[in-house]
Amino acid sequence: ELKVEQNPLFLSMQEGKNYTIYCNYSTTSDRLYWYRQDPGKSLESLFVLLSNGAVKQEGRLMASLDTKARLSTLHITAAVHDLSATYFCAVDIKTDKLIFGTGTRLQVFP
Amino acid sequence: DVKVTQSSRYLVKRTGEKVFLECVQDMDHENMFWYRQDPGLGLRLIYFSYDVKMKEKGDIPEGYSVSREKKERFSLILESASTNQTSMYLCASSGVSGGSYEQYFGPGTRLTVT
Repeated sequence: ELKVEQNPLFLSMQEGKNYTIYCNYSTTSDRLYWYRQDPGKSLESLFVLLSNGAVKQEGRLMASLDTKARLSTLHITAAVHDLSATYFCAVDIKTDKLIFGTGTRLQVFP
Repeated sequence: DVKVTQSSRYLVKRTGEKVFLECVQDMDHENMFWYRQDPGLGLRLIYFSYDVKMKEKGDIPEGYSVSREKKERFSLILESASTNQTSMYLCASSGVSGGSYEQYFGPGTRLTVT
């Protein structure tokens, strides 16, 4: 059974600090997506990673994909309160469906 | 920009009522999806469709049905609503673009069944 695991599930971090969210998956895939969800809202696309070694950056967030290790990371640099949200990774297994991770709830405090 | 719209943001229904949730996308996407999201359970796929009049069961189809009569519209039907169907319902669509099956989500419908 395909599994997509994120860790940590919950992350409380101070403003200005750096941290990394990990997304591990159990089957072959070379396409992975990151989404952000604010409380009570829908999912918003952050990054699309389409090959091994892909790296994308937007502001204080950087995502990377290592298909051999079946691992994607979402790195947060110098966190700010506005980054507080839940982050999901989703693996594309080429069946028109995505398999979503459990989500990481990020809380940034002063 | 891709736009996925859902007919209601909030809905309150009584147990036993038939409930229709509508989703419309404007990007000519082949694939459309219905998820429900509950605290601690993440996103769970209810049904999806990869073409007009085609449908496939997802992980939790029991108590739900769907309809896709036109490419841009995908409806989720709760035949007889029950309190355990109180949830946030998210619609999404996708089409192959540059090798990506990225899904685009609607704003969600928060359904309460009393």
